[in-house]
Amino acid sequence: NAGVTQTPKFQVLKTGQSMTLQCAQDMNHEYMSWYRQDPGMGLRLIHYSVGAGITDQGEVPNGYNVSRSTTEDFPLRLLSAAPSQTSVYFCASSYAGDRDGQYFGPGTRLTVT
Amino acid sequence: AQSVTQLGSHVSVSEGALVLLRCNYSSSVPPYLFWYVQYPNQGLQLLLKYTTGATLVKGINGFEAEFKKSETSFHLTKPSAHMSDAAEYFCAVSDRDTNAGKSTFGDGTTLTVKP
Repeated sequence: NAGVTQTPKFQVLKTGQSMTLQCAQDMNHEYMSWYRQDPGMGLRLIHYSVGAGITDQGEVPNGYNVSRSTTEDFPLRLLSAAPSQTSVYFCASSYAGDRDGQYFGPGTRLTVT
Repeated sequence: AQSVTQLGSHVSVSEGALVLLRCNYSSSVPPYLFWYVQYPNQGLQLLLKYTTGATLVKGINGFEAEFKKSETSFHLTKPSAHMSDAAEYFCAVSDRDTNAGKSTFGDGTTLTVKP
């Protein structure tokens, strides 16, 4: 199993550009989430999904869109990048929801200039 | 709403010394509790979790944590630190009622191990 994979590993965008961060898992997990990690602030939830076709907003959803057309994939779209979105983005998945903890991908480091 | 407080953003110990990382939560109902470890430039890895049953839980790499309901705490310990334990540690909680596969994280504690 590859676990949770994320692409790209690094990305530099200019303000106003759009892009999609890819996340895939091969563990047949129903639950998937996107977090951003900023220095000294832990991880903050952006969006999450409890199954294909079902998504919901987390703590910091503004400026981001998600969709979940398959169990395996959960892409995160930045609509119009802003310097405040410079961060490290982590995708996570879990099989049984909250009680089992989450598996994390290696992260995407995004810089917006 | 749940919240997590990790006391001490940086903890430094000598190799072989006790490791104690503190975590307190705020929740109307005791949540599921987790500790994760993050090595530089990597994702988070689950160390251990408390969901129900025995309040002292053991995890990987010799770490353990004890759930204390009266103190709303879930402190992480290891009897003897090793150089390889140097990393950032996150305490996290999840709501028992919603089961949405999401967690609230503390701000993290960076553990330094001195030779």
